[in-house]
Amino acid sequence: SQKIEQNSEALNIQEGKTATLTCNYTNYSPAYLQWYRQDPGRGPVFLLLIRENEKEKRKERLKVTFDTTLKQSLFHITASQPADSATYLCALERDDYKLSFGAGTTVTVRA
Amino acid sequence: DAMVIQNPRYQVTQFGKPVTLSCSQTLNHNVMYWYQQKSSQAPKLLFHYYDKDFNNEADTPDNFQSRRPNTSFCFLDIRSPGLGDAAMYLCATSEERTKETQYFGPGTRLLVL
Repeated sequence: SQKIEQNSEALNIQEGKTATLTCNYTNYSPAYLQWYRQDPGRGPVFLLLIRENEKEKRKERLKVTFDTTLKQSLFHITASQPADSATYLCALERDDYKLSFGAGTTVTVRA
Repeated sequence: DAMVIQNPRYQVTQFGKPVTLSCSQTLNHNVMYWYQQKSSQAPKLLFHYYDKDFNNEADTPDNFQSRRPNTSFCFLDIRSPGLGDAAMYLCATSEERTKETQYFGPGTRLLVL
């Protein structure tokens, strides 16, 4: 069966450090993968999309990698700030233009 | 600002009492989605509209229905809410099926008593 797994443990890091989140998937062949940010009680907000032929994508302090052989994406927040505290969801393209989401990893950045 | 709006933000209903959640968008997007998200879980797609075409997910219970009277509005009807339907309901849009990014509303938190 299809599965998307993100770090099950919440991530607590010190301000200024790099947070690294993992998204592993099985029985998907996504043409692209996305990362969304979700604050408590709010809807997800799109952050980044990476395609299957791209190894790495960057946006400001965010970096995403995509390894289709390992079936894994890594999401990095560099020089983290307390305002980065949120839940981060990965989402994979299904074969019918729809998205399947992971359960997310909650990041808390301590000042 | 173009956006996706959901009303109400919080809805309390009684077990078995029908409830309707609404979503509107000013983005003029063709596709509208409804997701159910329970605490600490992934958003789960219930159904989507591509223009007027309704697409149900295979595992969405019959208790959940949807209407899209025009491009801007979409409604989620829960005919007989059970305690297990308490969740956050998220509406999202995308410009076209082939456009990957989805734009989410703030969600409606449903409580069933």
